[in-house]
Amino acid sequence: GQQLNQSPQSMFIQEGEDVSMNCTSSSIFNTWLWYKQDPGEGPVLLIALYKAGELTSNGRLTAQFGITRKDSFLNISASIPSDVGIYFCAGSNRDDKIIFGKGTRLHILP
Amino acid sequence: GAVVSQHPSRVICKSGTSVKIECRSLDFQATTMFWYRQFPKKSLMLMATSNEGSKATYEQGVEKDKFLINHASLTLSTLTVTSAHPEDSSFYICSAAGGLAGGPVEQFFGPGTRLTVL
Repeated sequence: GQQLNQSPQSMFIQEGEDVSMNCTSSSIFNTWLWYKQDPGEGPVLLIALYKAGELTSNGRLTAQFGITRKDSFLNISASIPSDVGIYFCAGSNRDDKIIFGKGTRLHILP
Repeated sequence: GAVVSQHPSRVICKSGTSVKIECRSLDFQATTMFWYRQFPKKSLMLMATSNEGSKATYEQGVEKDKFLINHASLTLSTLTVTSAHPEDSSFYICSAAGGLAGGPVEQFFGPGTRLTVL
């Protein structure tokens, strides 16, 4: 089946630094999604991308849908303590099922 | 954004008992609801997809007689873990989807239910 490779698995950064994570797929997706999950909570949608090449921002977050439709990246600028959590990329096709990546754990050093 | 609730948020039960988890879309009608399972430090794994008024579609490897799903209305889906065993202990998350016909469909996730089977 379709698989998503998300990297890095974890990141340790200083507050104020920029963050970049990415996701690649072995096959094409029609939609790319980025979620954040806090401990003990469900995922919350950050950005949805619907067109190849699309670049979308949501505050300090920016995500792009790769031209090949097999990859996407998420950037976070000027990180703050509340950015800590697990970030999941996810892909979806017309059957509306979402396939999740394995997540990137973001840690912010004091 | 759309709000999805789950109840209970935590449940501890004895081995052999059945546990029911409810998922509700509070401010929109969900044509489809999804149930996921998440082990510690792992990703979300889709268990089944349910549409209101029809039988759920289970992913490969998920026992339909073990995990009973009922989607009685456009705002409520239930997952019943029957004869629960310790290996069923996990974080169960539902999502609800609804959108304009032909348009992109977004899934909104509930806060999850932590099941611990003793």
